[in-house]
Amino acid sequence: DTEVTQTPKHLVMGMTNKKSLKCEQHMGHRAMYWYKQKAKKPPELMFVYSYEKLSINESVPSRFSPECPNSSLLNLHLHALQPEDSALYLCASSPLSGGRSGNTIYFGEGSWLTVV
Amino acid sequence: GEDVEQSLFLSVREGDSSVINCTYTDSSSTYLYWYKQEPGAGLQLLTYIFSNMDMKQDQRLTVLLNKKDKHLSLRIADTQTGDSAIYFCAESISSNQFYFGTGTSLTVIP
Repeated sequence: DTEVTQTPKHLVMGMTNKKSLKCEQHMGHRAMYWYKQKAKKPPELMFVYSYEKLSINESVPSRFSPECPNSSLLNLHLHALQPEDSALYLCASSPLSGGRSGNTIYFGEGSWLTVV
Repeated sequence: GEDVEQSLFLSVREGDSSVINCTYTDSSSTYLYWYKQEPGAGLQLLTYIFSNMDMKQDQRLTVLLNKKDKHLSLRIADTQTGDSAIYFCAESISSNQFYFGTGTSLTVIP
């Protein structure tokens, strides 16, 4: 099973709302990621959690707040977003070690966020 | 991030072969990957190659790696309309650092 599950698939929120995106994986991976993707562009890295600790924060504005409650779950809390934050938010996970299948990163289907 | 470049567009006729190219800059890449993204969907892993390999074949897909020139290619044999998508190459330089190419939009003409 190489599945990363994201909810919700679609989210519309106002600029004063607080909402959260959720991500779950049961592959035993110890690294989890949030990426932001605009139409027809490559994914841009936002955050990386390694062994449930934030290891990379790519200078993301504080209106995005990640949380890793345990090794299987990753959340992205959203508050006071701007219309330009509208995008596809992708969660991903990877094993943090090589192994037979290599150090491969697996993506969820994404959450489409529209800020109005 | 690192510079991983791809040509933006490729158009082929159904049944022909497609070749999507990628150049990268970091010679310490350990693994290189190809992902496919269909409209409205996430990135689907197609195949990957370890940096000490030159070639990998997986059914209709052939990956070629030229480490000297830092050039990676994906050949899709007998291209079908269902292969129309955006294809991203990616490199891994450490256990939790992955850099993605600019993406190539493949259009298959029936």
